[in-house]
Amino acid sequence: DIVMTQTPLSSPVTLGQPASISCRSSQSLVHSDGNTYLSWLQQRPGQPPRLLIYKISNRFSGVPDRFSGSGAGTDFTLKISRVEAEDVGVYYCTQATQFPWTFGQGTKVEIK
Amino acid sequence: QVQLVQSGAEVKKPGASVKVSCKASGYTFTSYDINWVRQATGQGLEWMGWMNPNSGNTGYAQKFQGRVTMTRNTSISTAYMELSSLRSEDTAVYYCAKGNRYGMDVWGQGTTVTVSS
Repeated sequence: DIVMTQTPLSSPVTLGQPASISCRSSQSLVHSDGNTYLSWLQQRPGQPPRLLIYKISNRFSGVPDRFSGSGAGTDFTLKISRVEAEDVGVYYCTQATQFPWTFGQGTKVEIK
Repeated sequence: QVQLVQSGAEVKKPGASVKVSCKASGYTFTSYDINWVRQATGQGLEWMGWMNPNSGNTGYAQKFQGRVTMTRNTSISTAYMELSSLRSEDTAVYYCAKGNRYGMDVWGQGTTVTVSS
């Protein structure tokens, strides 16, 4: 199985300041069809997860443009340009290149 | 609007089975895969498998092979996940999620399954 490793596991951030989460996979996420199936999910407290980013850098419908994704191969990053109160929660990277699909451990974003 | 509504919380004894339903609305049920993901209390997400509602084809994570069955009833746009031989470690919130490799874009509200003697 592909292991997804996120850092940091906790990220205290001041409102209005940026946040960055790293995700590393144990093997390349480039699929044989040429796509890289790396997504980011946000889970607010008490809520189901919500899709933020798909295929590394594509924002899902309705996701604010302060969220951005980047990376390639085995190294990926989610950035929040200016953290708002509603961004508090746990963020997960997930790969769907190879079965079984797997998730990172999650990174908790909280306000300082 | 597009939504997935899951069945209510369940309490089961070890060794029993549980069947969770996931009713889709607001889109063509047979056009998108349904995935099942679980989350133990305070823990991360664990993908269990997927089902194509059109064909009924399924794919399960090896960890759950032999214990999980995913089915559907297209006439009522509902997907089901049945997990058998329950043990305490299966206590978790179970989510259904619409989507495929491009991303799981709509999630159910979750169903809490508690396994306790």
